[in-house]
Amino acid sequence: GDSVTQMEGPVTLSEEAFLTINCTYTATGYPSLFWYVQYPGEGLQLLLKATKADDKGSNKGFEATYRKETTSFHLEKGSVQVSDSAVYFCALSGVSGTYKYIFGTGTRLKVLA
Amino acid sequence: GAVVSQHPSRVICKSGTSVKIECRSLDFQATTMFWYRQFPKKSLMLMATSNEGSKATYEQGVEKDKFLINHASLTLSTLTVTSAHPEDSSFYICSASEYPGYEQYFGPGTRLTVT
Repeated sequence: GDSVTQMEGPVTLSEEAFLTINCTYTATGYPSLFWYVQYPGEGLQLLLKATKADDKGSNKGFEATYRKETTSFHLEKGSVQVSDSAVYFCALSGVSGTYKYIFGTGTRLKVLA
Repeated sequence: GAVVSQHPSRVICKSGTSVKIECRSLDFQATTMFWYRQFPKKSLMLMATSNEGSKATYEQGVEKDKFLINHASLTLSTLTVTSAHPEDSSFYICSASEYPGYEQYFGPGTRLTVT
C-alpha cells in the first residue's frame, strides 16, 4: 500500500550545520508531497510542498525536491538554527483515489547552540 | 488566513466520563474535516473523515461508537470520546480543508488525559 518512510531520529546538530532528513515514498499514481513541522505541544504547520515531479518546495531556508525517479522528497537546510528544533513529518496525499494524508513517523531534530 | 482552532487545548477527565473536543475553521468554510490521533513520539493516525452534513467515515480499527464525530456546520466539527479510559489518553489533532482534495490546515491539537 501507499506509505512514507522517514529516517529515524533523533538528529542532533550544532547550530549552522547542514541538515538533511531523508524521506521516500511508495504510492500508486502521482501524489503531492509535503513537509510539516511540529513544535513541542503544538499542532502541525506546513513547511513546504511539491505537487509534481521535479518541483522544488522551499520555505524559511528549507527546501525539498520531488524526485519521481527515486521516489524521494528529502528535506534540506544549509544552516540550521536552535529555533529549528522540532519534529519534522513527511507526508503524501492524493493517491489511491482518496485525499487522505499519509504521514511518515516523524524525525526529531535537536539543534545545539 | 486558513486558521484552524481547537478547544480545549488540554483536558483531564475521569475514567468512564465523556469529553468533547471542538475543531473550528476560523476564516474559511471547511466542507471536509479530519481527526487524527498522535501517540507519543509516533506519527499521526487518521481516525476519521467528516464531511459537512453527513456521517463521518471511520478508518479501519477505529470504534465509531466510542469516537463520535459531528460536522454540523461548515466551520465546526466535534469529536466526543465516550466512556473514556486511560488508553484513550493521547494528542488529538484536527484538520480542515475547503473542499475534498484541497490542502489540509491543522489545528494546534488537544491533549487528553484520562485518569
